[in-house]
Amino acid sequence: GDSVTQMEGPVTLSEEAFLTINCTYTATGYPSLFWYVQYPGEGLQLLLKATKADDKGSNKGFEATYRKETTSFHLEKGSVQVSDSAVYFCALSLYNFNKFYFGSGTKLNVKP
Amino acid sequence: DTAVSQTPKYLVTQMGNDKSIKCEQNLGHDTMYWYKQDSKKFLKIMFSYNNKELIINETVPNRFSPKSPDKAHLNLHINSLELGDSAVYFCASSSAESGHTFGSGTRLTVV
Repeated sequence: GDSVTQMEGPVTLSEEAFLTINCTYTATGYPSLFWYVQYPGEGLQLLLKATKADDKGSNKGFEATYRKETTSFHLEKGSVQVSDSAVYFCALSLYNFNKFYFGSGTKLNVKP
Repeated sequence: DTAVSQTPKYLVTQMGNDKSIKCEQNLGHDTMYWYKQDSKKFLKIMFSYNNKELIINETVPNRFSPKSPDKAHLNLHINSLELGDSAVYFCASSSAESGHTFGSGTRLTVV
């Protein structure tokens, strides 16, 4: 069935380190892909999205490229900050957003 | 203006009680959802409504009953609360042009 798999956390990095959080998906159709971020005590916020193959979503220094050949949507940032500490969720949607699947979340801890 | 607002933010109650969580969105979205997030941050969809009609009803106890009086509101009523119901419950809405917009969550603690 349709699903999203993302790397288990927690991921602990020092400030200014390079970040990659892996996300792969399984889908029967042509999904749209998303990354959401959840800061402590808050709801999820949309970070970036891509709606078709080879699209690159970007926001706040984060990037992810929709790779159909590897069914992946890895999240990257060149230089993380302490304020990026949060839980990151990869997600996909199908059938005009009526089907929505979240990954299990990856907690990122950034140390000064 | 809050896009998706849910109340209350915190709810502490005893086992066996009945409680409701309210959700309202002012985005004009057609679809609204309830999610449950456990202590490990895993998100599980519970219900989805599209234009007041139930379209997703995952395997949840029938003690949980959603109600959508109109397109902008989706409330969650829980009967006979159990310890295992303790979690954070998120309301969300979406449209064909966007992903989900989430409320800030309701932390339910059953004692």
